[in-house]
Amino acid sequence: EAGVTQFPSHSVIEKGQTVTLRCDPISGHDNLYWYRRVMGKEIKFLLHFVKESKQDESGMPNNRFLAERTGGTYSTLKVQPAELEDSGVYFCASSQRKTGFYNEQFFGPGTRLTVL
Amino acid sequence: AQSVSQHNHHVILSEAASLELGCNYSYGGTVNLFWYVQYPGQHLQLLLKYFSGDPLVKGIKGFEAEFIKSKFSFNLRKPSVQWSDTAEYFCAVNQGSGAGSYQLTFGKGTKLSVIP
Repeated sequence: EAGVTQFPSHSVIEKGQTVTLRCDPISGHDNLYWYRRVMGKEIKFLLHFVKESKQDESGMPNNRFLAERTGGTYSTLKVQPAELEDSGVYFCASSQRKTGFYNEQFFGPGTRLTVL
Repeated sequence: AQSVSQHNHHVILSEAASLELGCNYSYGGTVNLFWYVQYPGQHLQLLLKYFSGDPLVKGIKGFEAEFIKSKFSFNLRKPSVQWSDTAEYFCAVNQGSGAGSYQLTFGKGTKLSVIP
């Protein structure tokens, strides 16, 4: 079974440019999460999809970040325009959806974003 | 808001030494507790988890953790470390009781270096 995949693995852009990160969850996983780790800090939650719906987007830092999950399969996270403080590693995770249970989140390898 | 504290930023041990990594969390309600590990160049993967029941939980690769509710702690232990345990370890908490949001709150991570 393929794990969570993310693309690209690295991205270097200049301040003001746009970047789109992609996450492909494990097949059949309805829950999809985005997290971010800024250097030296903890991994922080950004948002949670259940299928194509945003269940919780309380961690999104500001309106320069737009996450989508059309069709409930893969997800994209767009940063527009990128700022220096957006640099970090963006992780995606997915889990099954079983009502009443907490299901293990499986993480992708992350996308390292550097904004110059 | 809940928070997670990991006491050590970087731990250096010789092979066969015993390991204990501290983790404390702030949330006073029902919690699910996790330790994740990230080996160099690899994904975050689940080491062990606690949902309920026996507060001493065993995970993969000889790791165990003890949940002490009165101390809001979930320390990770291993009696004898190996060079292959060199990795970064993350403690994480999820607000339990099916509250609807499955986001994980992470600590800042502890880097473990094991010297052969």
